[in-house]
Amino acid sequence: NAGVTQTPKFQVLKTGQSMTLQCAQDMNHEYMSWYRQDPGMGLRLIHYSVGAGITDQGEVPNGYNVSRSTTEDFPLRLLSAAPSQTSVYFCASRRRQSSYNEQFFGPGTRLTVL
Amino acid sequence: AQTVTQSQPEMSVQEAETVTLSCTYDTSENNYYLFWYKQPPSRQMILVIRQEAYKQQNATENRFSVNFQKAAKSFSLKISDSQLGDTAMYFCAFTSQGGSEKLVFGKGMKLTVNP
Repeated sequence: NAGVTQTPKFQVLKTGQSMTLQCAQDMNHEYMSWYRQDPGMGLRLIHYSVGAGITDQGEVPNGYNVSRSTTEDFPLRLLSAAPSQTSVYFCASRRRQSSYNEQFFGPGTRLTVL
Repeated sequence: AQTVTQSQPEMSVQEAETVTLSCTYDTSENNYYLFWYKQPPSRQMILVIRQEAYKQQNATENRFSVNFQKAAKSFSLKISDSQLGDTAMYFCAFTSQGGSEKLVFGKGMKLTVNP
């Protein structure tokens, strides 16, 4: 199993540009989430999905869109990037019925918005 | 709302020594899970240890153990026989047992193990 994969690893955008951060998992996990990590802070939940076709907002959803058309993929879209979105983004997944609600994290994407 | 507090932003320790990282949390729930994650310079989030709130026995994983004090809402991590590879950011995290997708993280603590 590749686990949770994210692409790209690094990205630089200009203010106003759009892009999609890709996340995929091959563990057949129902739940998937996106977090952002800013300096001096822990990870904060952006959006999450409990299954294909179902998404919901987390703690910091503004400026981001998500959709979940398949179990495997959960892309995060920035429609008009802003410098405040400079951050490291992590995707995570878990099974609905899992011990400890344990989440598995991808390697992260470092995004810089100029 | 749940909160997780890590009051020590940074610590250093000599190789082979023991170090304790502190974490407190606030919740009104009775059933939940607590975690310690390690983030090395590679930035990968690595689960170190986990604890169920209803278990009184403290979790252990090799050199890592926790001191879970539910009444005090405290969840400290002890690293024994510190190794250079333990150098990393460490995050304490909380999640409800009820299926909420929200992992609530503390701000993290940078641990440096010196040779």
